[in-house]
Amino acid sequence: EDKVVQSPLSLVVHEGDTVTLNCSYEVTNFRSLLWYKQEKKAPTFLFMLTSSGIEKKSGRLSSILDKKELFSILNITATQTGDSAVYLCAYRNSGTYKYIFGTGTRLKVLA
Amino acid sequence: DVKVTQSSRYLVKRTGEKVFLECVQDMDHENMFWYRQDPGLGLRLIYFSYDVKMKEKGDIPEGYSVSREKKERFSLILESASTNQTSMYLCASRLGGNNEQFFGPGTRLTVL
Repeated sequence: EDKVVQSPLSLVVHEGDTVTLNCSYEVTNFRSLLWYKQEKKAPTFLFMLTSSGIEKKSGRLSSILDKKELFSILNITATQTGDSAVYLCAYRNSGTYKYIFGTGTRLKVLA
Repeated sequence: DVKVTQSSRYLVKRTGEKVFLECVQDMDHENMFWYRQDPGLGLRLIYFSYDVKMKEKGDIPEGYSVSREKKERFSLILESASTNQTSMYLCASRLGGNNEQFFGPGTRLTVL
């Protein structure tokens, strides 16, 4: 059965710290992996990684995809209190419209 | 920017009532999705639609049905609401192909 596992489940850091969030997946035929940030509302899209785009960066956030080892990481440098949220990853197999979501990593950044 | 809207942010219904949750997107997206989100369980797919009048069951379709008569609108129907359907319901849409999903603001449904 296809599944996504995120770690850690939760994380507390101080402003300025760098964090690394992990997403491992077991899939039959990988097509894409997505990262979302969810505060007290709906998830907002961060990155999509595919076979042709295994590394993405936007400001202090970056993500890489390791298709061989079946995992992705999301890095946040110089964290700010506004980074506090639940971070979700989801993948999609080829030949399907469905995304499979992990349960998320809850990040809390203290001032 | 893509805009996905949902008809209600908060909804309280009684057991046995028929409940309609509406989702509208304004970007001519082909694919639309309904999820529910529960603590510790993450987002679980209820139904999705890959085109008008086309639908497929997701992972937890029991107790739900959907309707997509127009491209921009995807409705989730709880035929007879039960307390275990108390949850956050999230709608999402996607252009098609290998593109990302965009989510609506969510509807927090409480069934008493």
